[in-house]
Amino acid sequence: QQPVQSPQAVILREGEDAVINCSSSKALYSVHWYRQKHGEAPVFLMILLKGGEQKGHEKISASFNEKKQQSSLYLTASQLSYSGTYFCGTEGPSNAGNMLTFGGGTRLMVKP
Amino acid sequence: DAGVIQSPRHEVTEMGQEVTLRCKPISGHDYLFWYRQTMMRGLELLIYFNNNVPIDDSGMPEDRFSAKMPNASFSTLKIQPSEPRDSAVYFCASKGGGADFTDTQYFGPGTRLTVL
Repeated sequence: QQPVQSPQAVILREGEDAVINCSSSKALYSVHWYRQKHGEAPVFLMILLKGGEQKGHEKISASFNEKKQQSSLYLTASQLSYSGTYFCGTEGPSNAGNMLTFGGGTRLMVKP
Repeated sequence: DAGVIQSPRHEVTEMGQEVTLRCKPISGHDYLFWYRQTMMRGLELLIYFNNNVPIDDSGMPEDRFSAKMPNASFSTLKIQPSEPRDSAVYFCASKGGGADFTDTQYFGPGTRLTVL
């Protein structure tokens, strides 16, 4: 079953922060975050494994709450280059299937 | 590393014609995935292979779609006959296997298919 992402779209001014959520109805082993710019392929941002770890990548970080079966992506002090559609891909309850199920995406637009 | 390579990048064809999409995964990757992306349905997994063997094809829409992986460095997705509702961007992705369970899928640039 497809994970649910929220919000569906968000518009920011440069320098503002945003949070994108990804919720699953089933137990998760891992959550993978991607960003896709218009007309391009999804680009991998980070992976989180069950255990509730938080990861960071420059001003983009993410958390994974195994009990709540959800993950959040945090964008701090957004830049114009952050614009695009963000997807979470979930795997679970184990990694045996090696398959990711992607959410519907969150469209992020950063304006000057 | 050249990344995942797909061809053609754009394909325009007429309804009823056969379409073949091609993919070369990242060297050394054991898994290959075919996805379809549309505005209405988002990113859908069609089929995936492990060591050239199809593992799960439950996402393949119907018998008009077929996929093969004759060797570790090449895969094809074929649509015969094509229909306008097949218009979409088709992505190929690959993933390493082995003990590194933190690995993820890396996407190719996609093939934008338009069926008239």
